[in-house]
Amino acid sequence: QQQVKQSPQSLIVQKGGISIINCAYENTAFDYFPWYQQFPGKGPALLIAIRPDVSEKKEGRFTISFNKSAKQFSLHIMDSQPGDSATYFCAARMSGNTPLVFGKGTRLSVIA
Amino acid sequence: EAGVTQSPTHLIKTRGQQVTLRCSPISGHTSVYWYQQALGLGLQFLLWYDEGEERNRGNFPPRFSGRQFPNYSSELNVNALELEDSALYLCASSPRAEMAFFGQGTRLTVV
Repeated sequence: QQQVKQSPQSLIVQKGGISIINCAYENTAFDYFPWYQQFPGKGPALLIAIRPDVSEKKEGRFTISFNKSAKQFSLHIMDSQPGDSATYFCAARMSGNTPLVFGKGTRLSVIA
Repeated sequence: EAGVTQSPTHLIKTRGQQVTLRCSPISGHTSVYWYQQALGLGLQFLLWYDEGEERNRGNFPPRFSGRQFPNYSSELNVNALELEDSALYLCASSPRAEMAFFGQGTRLTVV
C-alpha cells in the first residue's frame, strides 16, 4: 500500500517557468512533510519541509502548499532554472522519529 | 560538521554472495535509517535503528539485516544476493527531531 502518492512522474518546464509537483497522503497520523531533491549519483538532500498546522511555507524560490482537509501538499518552484533539473521526492512521517515514507519521485527537466 | 558518510561508494558482487554496507551518522544523531533505491522504484524503507536497537523494518526478506553500534554507526548486511538487489542503498540519520539527512549512498551491482 503506497501511503504517499506523487505526481507527475516527470515534468518538463521552460526556464523561468513554475514547476508544480503534487503529493497526496492517506495516513492522518503523518505530521511532518518534507521535500527532497536528488541529483544523479547523489543522495537526496532536504529542500524544504512543513507541518500540518501551516498552510504554506516559502524558502527562496521554493514553496510548499499544504491542504490538510484534502490530505494534499505540493511543491512550487518559481523561476525554474536548468540547475533545478533533478528528481524531487515528497515524503511524510509520523511523530517519534519514525521512518520517512516517500513518494515515487518526479523527474524535473528545466529547459532553456 | 561532517555529513552522513557511507562506504563503500560502489561495489560489484556475484549472485549468492554476502555484502556489508557501512554508515556513519552525523555526530549527535542517534537514529539511522536504511533505504533501498532501485531503478524506477523510489526509496523503499529497509531498517530503522535507534539507540542500538532495531525499531522497525520494511517489507524486505530476513536476508536483509543490520545492526547499530554504540557510537551509532550502522551496518547493513545482505545475504544470498539476488540480481534484483542491485540498487543504491541509502543511509540517513536523524536527531530527535523530524529532519533526516542522507548520505551519498552505496551503489551495489549484483551480477
